[in-house]
Amino acid sequence: DTEVTQTPKHLVMGMTNKKSLKCEQHMGHRAMYWYKQKAKKPPELMFVYSYEKLSINESVPSRFSPECPNSSLLNLHLHALQPEDSALYLCASREEGVGEKLFFGSGTQLSVL
Amino acid sequence: AQSVTQLDSQVPVFEEAPVELRCNYSSSVSVYLFWYVQYPNQGLQLLLKYLSGSTLVKGINGFEAEFNKSQTSFHLRKPSVHISDTAEYFCAVSEGTSYDKVIFGPGTSLSVIP
Repeated sequence: DTEVTQTPKHLVMGMTNKKSLKCEQHMGHRAMYWYKQKAKKPPELMFVYSYEKLSINESVPSRFSPECPNSSLLNLHLHALQPEDSALYLCASREEGVGEKLFFGSGTQLSVL
Repeated sequence: AQSVTQLDSQVPVFEEAPVELRCNYSSSVSVYLFWYVQYPNQGLQLLLKYLSGSTLVKGINGFEAEFNKSQTSFHLRKPSVHISDTAEYFCAVSEGTSYDKVIFGPGTSLSVIP
């Protein structure tokens, strides 16, 4: 299994809602990532988990809350989002080691109304 | 901190013609360079990478790239493009001991014209 699975594929939420994005991989990768991608823009790094611990937080607003319950799962909890947070949220994972490639999921297209 | 520049935001090219997509980086330490491709409504997938050694690296789908340290460049090439190569191409970099942090360039949209 060389896939990174993200659910849901599409999500529409109001600014007062609480929702969660989920990501799963069964490749034994020890690093997992959240990226945010706006249309026609590159992915922007949000968070990195290494061995289930948060290792990188790129100054992301607290309305985004990541969680890594185990080595295969990564969640992104959303609360009180703004319309400008509408974007494609991509999850990725990689093996340990220098230069190992990122495996990306297909993303969750999020719309905040 | 590392950064990546892709000077061409859009590159139109006729089918079966050669193409070069340019990438320049800045970093004060050793770097690891990647090219990823993103097809519409999909995540990204790796085309090729440079870690060390031979400066010419070959990837999937007939793509290759050349690392040039003096010019801090990592340009992507393909001798003959197909319609199916139409996609967004991102150059990416990670550096030194912070190799978990993978930063993407702004992207180049390749359009192959029949």
